[in-house]
Amino acid sequence: EAGVAQSPRYKIIEKRQSVAFWCNPISGHATLYWYQQILGQGPKLLIQFQNNGVVDDSQLPKDRFSAERLKGVDSTLKIQPAKLEDSAVYLCASSRLAGKETQYFGPGTRLLVL
Amino acid sequence: DAKTTQPNSMESNEEEPVHLPCNHSTISGTDYIHWYRQLPSQGPEYVIHGLTSNVNNRMASLAIAEDRKSSTLILHRATLRDAAVYYCILRVLAAGNKLTFGGGTRVLVKP
Repeated sequence: EAGVAQSPRYKIIEKRQSVAFWCNPISGHATLYWYQQILGQGPKLLIQFQNNGVVDDSQLPKDRFSAERLKGVDSTLKIQPAKLEDSAVYLCASSRLAGKETQYFGPGTRLLVL
Repeated sequence: DAKTTQPNSMESNEEEPVHLPCNHSTISGTDYIHWYRQLPSQGPEYVIHGLTSNVNNRMASLAIAEDRKSSTLILHRATLRDAAVYYCILRVLAAGNKLTFGGGTRVLVKP
């Protein structure tokens, strides 16, 4: 079974630029999560999708971050405009169902904002 | 958010057992205890979870205190590949079963 795929793996941008990350979850997984992991900290949930609907986006900075999951499969996370403090690893995870199921994580995208 | 407390780091010798403690004194009756680990430059991976009874799988064992206010992840024979950050997480029903990661315990395995 293929795992969660993410791209790009690394991205360097200047502040105020925009950036987008892509995630392809495990086939058949209805729930998709985006996490932000700042160096030295545990991952923090940004947004959770159930199929193509948003379940939880309470910690998503909506003035600059947006995410979508069209057709309930792939997802993109966008930052516009980026700030220095957005430098982090952005992790995508998926699970068969929400809540009780194990989450499977991708390798992450490492973002550096200069 | 339901909180867990773990030591920042632990060291172990290769092929010896590792006992990783976790305190979760505010746990409620429906909260599951999950453990994930994160190897260097990788995303977290599931290790084990439990509710009340001790649990075993091919990766580890989870020992849960009778009052459920603490638990211990046991790696029976540590290998160099077990060097990682281990996260103890409460899956809280009241919070929509969301996983809230803390800082975790960094495990160093010495050859």
